[in-house]
Amino acid sequence: AQTVTQSQPEMSVQEAETVTLSCTYDTSESDYYLFWYKQPPSRQMILVIRQEAYKQQNATENRFSVNFQKAAKSFSLKISDSQLGDAAMYFCAFVSGGSNYKLTFGKGTLLTVNP
Amino acid sequence: GAGVSQSPSNKVTEKGKDVELRCDPISGHTALYWYRQSLGQGLEFLIYFQGNSAPDKSGLPSDRFSAERTGGSVSTLTIQRTQQEDSAVYLCASSLEYWGSEAFFGQGTRLTVV
Repeated sequence: AQTVTQSQPEMSVQEAETVTLSCTYDTSESDYYLFWYKQPPSRQMILVIRQEAYKQQNATENRFSVNFQKAAKSFSLKISDSQLGDAAMYFCAFVSGGSNYKLTFGKGTLLTVNP
Repeated sequence: GAGVSQSPSNKVTEKGKDVELRCDPISGHTALYWYRQSLGQGLEFLIYFQGNSAPDKSGLPSDRFSAERTGGSVSTLTIQRTQQEDSAVYLCASSLEYWGSEAFFGQGTRLTVV
């Protein structure tokens, strides 16, 4: 079974600084998708960024980028120029055909942004 | 609808009572998930529906929990004989049958068992 591990239960960053959230996963498949989701205090879960395993180029969405290391099965999220609105719980997620397309989430990392 | 709708948004029930939580997914989404989230904690997978396949019930914590999805659309999560440890936010999500598809989440139902 696929597993997703987020080893940092909590992280903090100063406003305008950069922070990296870690995620590792375990799978025997070669093609899959990885996601980062954000859950702010409002509780509404939203997609931040996604990466297909076959694409070598790291995905980027404005201030959010990933460092995808397929061989190491690592998928970290970098947030640049952190803003107060980035404070949230961040979840890493994985899906593959072998899992019948079922999303598997990590336990989450709570990010605090300090002014 | 424009998004995933869950009802009620809040539910307070007495220990031992049964509750039903409803999820209206985005039209056309074949995949539907239920998750449970305790205060400040991560997502606990409960059940997964994908098209006409048999649901993946591997996350249901006990036989007091059940879920159905009628007509491939609306889903109901039922908790029988509620216990205080069932208190949590119950989140529903839906997505297209495409593995790169974004999962859209509802706002959740906050269940409090007193």
